[in-house]
Amino acid sequence: QKEVEQNSGPLSVPEGAIASLNCTYSDRVSQSFFWYRQYSGKSPELIMSIYSNGDKEDGRFTAQLNKASQYVSLLIRDSQPSDSATYLCAVNGYGGSQGNLIFGKGTKLSVKP
Amino acid sequence: DAGVTQSPTHLIKTRGQQVTLRCSPKSGHDTVSWYQQALGQGPQFIFQYYEEEERQRGNFPDRFSGHQFPNYSSELNVNALLLGDSALYLCASSQKYRDYEQYFGPGTRLTVT
Repeated sequence: QKEVEQNSGPLSVPEGAIASLNCTYSDRVSQSFFWYRQYSGKSPELIMSIYSNGDKEDGRFTAQLNKASQYVSLLIRDSQPSDSATYLCAVNGYGGSQGNLIFGKGTKLSVKP
Repeated sequence: DAGVTQSPTHLIKTRGQQVTLRCSPKSGHDTVSWYQQALGQGPQFIFQYYEEEERQRGNFPDRFSGHQFPNYSSELNVNALLLGDSALYLCASSQKYRDYEQYFGPGTRLTVT
C-alpha cells in the first residue's frame, strides 16, 4: 500500500516567520512530487512541483526533495495570514502512467497576525 | 485562459439513486482525472481518461464509471449511491506527456441522504 504521510497540524506560525511543512512517502519509485494549497471549502491549487533531489525556489516558496530519505518538504518564507490553508503533499503513483497522484491528508497551517 | 470547469457545484441525492458529474479541462489539456475527497482527507484517485479511454483506475468499485468525449470533456457516473459516497468530487486536467502535473477544477459537492 503506497502511502504519503503528513502531520495533520494545525501548525501555527506568527506572521513573517518561516513555515516548514513535511511529507514522507513509502514508494521508492515515485518520480514526481507536488504541493497543493487548499483553502477551506475550495479545491486544491498546485503551488510547487519538484522532480529531482535538492531545492526548488519559487517566490516565497521552497520545495526540498531527498529521495534517499523519501522526504519532501515545503518552506514558506515571510508567512502571511493569506497563507493560512491546508497544504497537501502528492506523489505520482506507479504503473503505466504517472497520472495516479497519491495524496497525504494535508497539514493545516495557521498564520497569526 | 479558461481553467477547469465542473458542474454542478452542489448536488443532493438519495441512497440508491444515480448521479452524473461533468468536467471540462483547461484549454490545451487532453487528459482528465477524477478524485474523491472526503472531509478531512486528501483526494483519492478514481480514474483517468485520455483519448476517450480509461487509462488507469484506482481502488473504486464498478459503481463508479466514466466517459470522455472527443472535445476532451468528461463525465463521472456513480450508480446505486451510498451514504459513504458523500464527498467533494474533483476533476483534474493535464497534458498527455505530463499527466502527473494536474490542475483541479472547483469540484462538485455531493451529499447523499
